[in-house]
Amino acid sequence: AQKITQTQPGMFVQEKEAVTLDCTYDTSDPSYGLFWYKQPSSGEMIFLIYQGSYDQQNATEGRYSLNFQKARKSANLVISASQLGDSAMYFCAMTPTGKLIFGQGTTLQVKP
Amino acid sequence: SQTIHQWPATLVQPVGSPLSLECTVEGTSNPNLYWYRQAAGRGLQLLFYSVGIGQISSEVPQNLSASRPQDRQFILSSKKLLLSDSGFYLCAWSVGGHTEAFFGQGTRLTVV
Repeated sequence: AQKITQTQPGMFVQEKEAVTLDCTYDTSDPSYGLFWYKQPSSGEMIFLIYQGSYDQQNATEGRYSLNFQKARKSANLVISASQLGDSAMYFCAMTPTGKLIFGQGTTLQVKP
Repeated sequence: SQTIHQWPATLVQPVGSPLSLECTVEGTSNPNLYWYRQAAGRGLQLLFYSVGIGQISSEVPQNLSASRPQDRQFILSSKKLLLSDSGFYLCAWSVGGHTEAFFGQGTRLTVV
């Protein structure tokens, strides 16, 4: 079965600190993509970062990095130097064959 | 450049009435298309996805159906709405394979 699991319903982080959002996945497909999206209170879905299953290096995009551990089937998102604008819901997602499935999300609140 | 249009933004419908939500994509050909539903504060539930005209995969058997009458048009329908159909509906597209998806602005449906 193909599944994405995010075990942290909510997280708090102090402004300017780093935070890690957890994501584990399950698929039997040898080729897949892993994604993180941000959803502010407005409801729009904002793409943050992508990691391919065959990529040797962890993906980075500005303050976002993806800690990809293939053997453990984990794809954690690390946000460095948190900002108040980072407060939102964050979703991990995966593309096995043809479809895009999401985890349940983690609500991140950044404290001033 | 590619754009996705989803309408309406909000909709209030009585129980038992029909539903038609439309999503169109511009600037690309043969996209993968997706319909998701999101309950308040929850994750995105994949309802339908399509990799081509007339090819619809249903992920969750329920009171909804989807159609793809044209390459870049994806329609979500119901003959008779239930209270449980209330939620935030999101349409998305991708170029296929393991690439990021781009989302519409969503439709907030309230069934009363």
